[in-house]
Amino acid sequence: KNEVEQSPQNLTAQEGEFITINCSYSVGISALHWLQQHPGGGIVSLFMLSSGKKKHGRLIATINIQEKHSSLHITASHPRDSAVYICAVREGGGADGLTFGKGTHLIIQP
Amino acid sequence: DAGVTQSPTHLIKTRGQHVTLRCSPISGHKSVSWYQQVLGQGPQFIFQYYEKEERGRGNFPDRFSARQFPNYSSELNVNALLLGDSALYLCASSLVANQPQHFGDGTRLSIL
Repeated sequence: KNEVEQSPQNLTAQEGEFITINCSYSVGISALHWLQQHPGGGIVSLFMLSSGKKKHGRLIATINIQEKHSSLHITASHPRDSAVYICAVREGGGADGLTFGKGTHLIIQP
Repeated sequence: DAGVTQSPTHLIKTRGQHVTLRCSPISGHKSVSWYQQVLGQGPQFIFQYYEKEERGRGNFPDRFSARQFPNYSSELNVNALLLGDSALYLCASSLVANQPQHFGDGTRLSIL
């Protein structure tokens, strides 16, 4: 069973700061997902990665398969970025669903 | 197009009762997965269905069951409810199993 660890668990930053959230996993994967969860529960898929780097707006996700590590970066952070960011991994072809980290609770203060 | 819809949004039950949660996937999506998220934790995988067949099961007791219908909607059933079943139950759909998943807003189940 894959162990997914995220750091930090909680992060408070000022508007405009560059944010980094880290994720490490223990067993080889076929894909890694970064998800955003707002209060009330709704989850939005931000990225699905199997190698390299992806960028969408102010969000950048990277993955190092050899080191079993991924990072999510937010540039020019804004209070609306405040949410829980969750890393999840999929092993094999997908029948086992996703294994999730516990999430990083991010607060961006104006 | 409508996203993944779940019903009901909130539900209160008592111990020992049975509950059915429903999920309608995005049109064209054939894979539906169910997850349980206890307060303060990440979601835990319960089931995955693809083309109306169970394709994966997480580490949950037999009190949990699910099915997928010909229109690809899905139901999650939980029998003999326990206090520990109180959680947010999330449904996610994707075109096929290993594609990005789209999540519904969840059903918040409270057991008294």
